[in-house]
Amino acid sequence: QVQLVQSGPEVKKPGASVKVSCKASDYSLRDYGLSWVRQAPGQGLEWMAWISNTGGTTLFTQKFQGRLSVTADASTSTVYLYLTSLKSDDTAVYYCVRDSNYCPDYWGQGTLVTVSS
Amino acid sequence: QTVVTQEPSLTVSPGGTVTLTCASSTGAVTSTYYPNWFQQKPGQAPRALIYRTSNKHSWTPARFSGSLLGGKAALTLSGVQPEDEAEYYCLLNPSGAAWVFGGGTKLTVL
Repeated sequence: QVQLVQSGPEVKKPGASVKVSCKASDYSLRDYGLSWVRQAPGQGLEWMAWISNTGGTTLFTQKFQGRLSVTADASTSTVYLYLTSLKSDDTAVYYCVRDSNYCPDYWGQGTLVTVSS
Repeated sequence: QTVVTQEPSLTVSPGGTVTLTCASSTGAVTSTYYPNWFQQKPGQAPRALIYRTSNKHSWTPARFSGSLLGGKAALTLSGVQPEDEAEYYCLLNPSGAAWVFGGGTKLTVL
């Protein structure tokens, strides 16, 4: 049974950074890419980034350029999202989604990141 | 930045049929936009329903179907069930690179 298990909730101050992890089970990261999607409270879904199955290619929505990075560790089947210079409007649930061949399918359970002074 | 537009809300009666649409500010949606559809219920992660315009995942109920309609991507629910009440999101890839979500359609079954 394919599963994506994400790290626990985070509370950060404005200006800080956050790292969210997404561990894949029952499939190999080497076979599938992965996207990150976030959802602010009461709002819609926002696609943020994608990393290829090899980890060699990353794509980002322009608004996050410069403060978002995504890395993958195939040895531990874990993908990481790293977001810097946090602002209050970065408060959201962050999801990882298995995504290859234009077919996003399995979703993680979500990680709530709260940015508050 | 591409804007993807969905109906904010729709209401359908149980057993009825409803079509949700998804338009792109870049022009007509084609199969090369690789439309995907997702369902989200309150407090839950989204669930994938349709990929690459019209393909169903193994868990997608038969009453859900995807298509292209009048320059838009479309999701049709036939024989709507009460449990279909949810928010529905489309996802497009207009540039072959970045994905863009629509704003979502809140479907009420009444």
